[in-house]
Amino acid sequence: EVQLVESGGGLVQPGGSLRLSCAASGFTFSSFWMYWVRQAPEKGLAWVSRIDSAGSTINYADSVKGRFTISRDNAKNTLFLEMNSLTAEDSAVYYCARATLGTLDVWGQGTTVTVSS
Amino acid sequence: DVVMTQSPLSLPVTLGQPASISCRSSQSLVYSDGNTYLNWYQQRPGQSPRRLIYKVSDRDSGVPDRFGGSGSGTDFTLRISRVEAEDVGVYYCMQGTHWPPTFGGGTKVEIK
Repeated sequence: EVQLVESGGGLVQPGGSLRLSCAASGFTFSSFWMYWVRQAPEKGLAWVSRIDSAGSTINYADSVKGRFTISRDNAKNTLFLEMNSLTAEDSAVYYCARATLGTLDVWGQGTTVTVSS
Repeated sequence: DVVMTQSPLSLPVTLGQPASISCRSSQSLVYSDGNTYLNWYQQRPGQSPRRLIYKVSDRDSGVPDRFGGSGSGTDFTLRISRVEAEDVGVYYCMQGTHWPPTFGGGTKVEIK
């Protein structure tokens, strides 16, 4: 079964850091681009970052550029999102998603990040 | 960025009756390869998004055939032929033709 399982979310103070992980199984992880997408409370969906299959092409939304770092370990079938200088506006459920041309076809269950003092 | 506009915001439906959700894009979603990368996702309460439809009208495996997608260019529709209780949730369209991918604001389907 194709599966993505996020972890690493939690409560963090403003200015703090968190590292999210996404464990992939049931498919050849190293062949796919991967995304992080977030959903603020009672809000819609917005892409955060993406990384190509080899980890050499990376993009960030303007709202997180310079603060978030996406990476992957293809040997361990895991995607990461390092988040620094967090603000209340970063509070959201963070999903990892598998990308194929023009679509995000598989999503994880999400991990919740709450930035609050 | 391409703006995706969904309507209505909320859609109360009687069980067994049809439902229709509109999604309009600010630019044509026809890609250079001739495909149109318009997707529909369902998000049930407390769950993550699940893809229902890709490339306008292709249904994902396991998606009931009461769900159908149509449209072209900038104007797209998701139709549910007969709404069931398990269809309650928020539906999002997403375009994957232009970088970056963008989502509609969502349509909440609820039972009257």
